[in-house]
Amino acid sequence: ETGVTQTPRHLVMGMTNKKSLKCEQHLGHNAMYWYKQSAKKPLELMFVYNFKEQTENNSVPSRFSPECPNSSHLFLHLHTLQPEDSALYLCASSQDRRNTGELFFGEGSRLTVL
Amino acid sequence: GESVGLHLPTLSVQEGDNSIINCAYSNSASDYFIWYKQESGKGPQFIIDIRSNMDKRQGQRVTVLLNKTVKHLSLQIAATQPGDSAVYFCAECYNQGGKLIFGQGTELSVKP
Repeated sequence: ETGVTQTPRHLVMGMTNKKSLKCEQHLGHNAMYWYKQSAKKPLELMFVYNFKEQTENNSVPSRFSPECPNSSHLFLHLHTLQPEDSALYLCASSQDRRNTGELFFGEGSRLTVL
Repeated sequence: GESVGLHLPTLSVQEGDNSIINCAYSNSASDYFIWYKQESGKGPQFIIDIRSNMDKRQGQRVTVLLNKTVKHLSLQIAATQPGDSAVYFCAECYNQGGKLIFGQGTELSVKP
């Protein structure tokens, strides 16, 4: 138990579907992150939120839309995805944006786009 | 057809032996380095970190070595156990608050 919970753990969706990934952290952290992990590739940072404000968007396509209603919750809204978007999506948190090394990861949401 | 992708480096060791996992980092200005462990079906887990003003740091059964001259980082695991089987990632960043850049990862397999 890392203190970061992601749901769903597995998701299969068609290219025209709309779905959302949810992340919740119970660590009292102020920064939250979305990472994409594709097979045999390094982790790719997608979005960063610090105190609910988005501080980084790494040129992520608009079909991925993050939402951070408070410091404990982070969502990734998905729509009109492509098969190449199939990957493990990892949420992480840290005390704040200055402590990017001390990341606590969730177990990920395995997404398959058909 | 067969897909072309990167092959994840692998390391296979006998239980009880010491393991050494290597990582070459890219940015000579990076001043903070971290090793993560990712077991199958789980997210990455922080193992140990080191700042650039150090060349060695020890934890419980793990040691990280930093060679800034050749931009090389290594993770040594003493008396490797089956529970150490996982993918190990190195990561670097500048000024600790900067963007964390992850390496490709090395898959460690421990034979009983």
